[in-house]
Amino acid sequence: AQSVSQHNHHVILSEAASLELGCNYSYGGTVNLFWYVQYPGQHLQLLLKYFSGDPLVKGIKGFEAEFIKSKFSFNLRKPSVQWSDTAEYFCAVNAGGNTGKLIFGQGTTLQVKP
Amino acid sequence: EPEVTQTPSHQVTQMGQEVILRCVPISNHLYFYWYRQILGQKVEFLVSFYNNEISEKSEIFDDQFSVERPDGSNFTLKIRSTKLEDSAMYFCASKPRAYEQYFGPGTRLTVT
Repeated sequence: AQSVSQHNHHVILSEAASLELGCNYSYGGTVNLFWYVQYPGQHLQLLLKYFSGDPLVKGIKGFEAEFIKSKFSFNLRKPSVQWSDTAEYFCAVNAGGNTGKLIFGQGTTLQVKP
Repeated sequence: EPEVTQTPSHQVTQMGQEVILRCVPISNHLYFYWYRQILGQKVEFLVSFYNNEISEKSEIFDDQFSVERPDGSNFTLKIRSTKLEDSAMYFCASKPRAYEQYFGPGTRLTVT
């Protein structure tokens, strides 16, 4: 069965620190990959997505992610986090089929200390 | 910018009661989804809906669940006889033919 694994459940960083959140998926075929963010009290918002082409994708708010097909990974990065990045981050995969359903990882709670 | 909306934001119900969660997807979108997130767990796919029928459903989506798009704008999730374990945040999402899904703010369902 398809699955998505996020390595870090809770990350605490100081402002200006660099961020990398790991995401691995299990599916051998073509995938579409997403990172969603959920700020406290708000709904899921798309940070960035990968469909095809350049495996390094840039999203909103200075986030980027790199798709490494050989490693089945789609890690999220940001060079310098801000307090306002405090949120929960979800990696998700759409693995084939026409329905577009998303398989989500467990989520990573990021806490940025001012 | 158009948004997916959901009502109510919080629903409290007693075990065994029926609940209907409502969603208004973005108007030109074609695919509609329900997901749920039990507290502390991952977001789980429940069902997808396209062309006025269910296109895929998960094992969670048993006979107690149903979906409907009654009037071309609303998209509802009905749970016929709620159980304690149905307590969760329920998210509606929609998307156009391609590209990403847009999520609503969620309905927190509490079954007592």
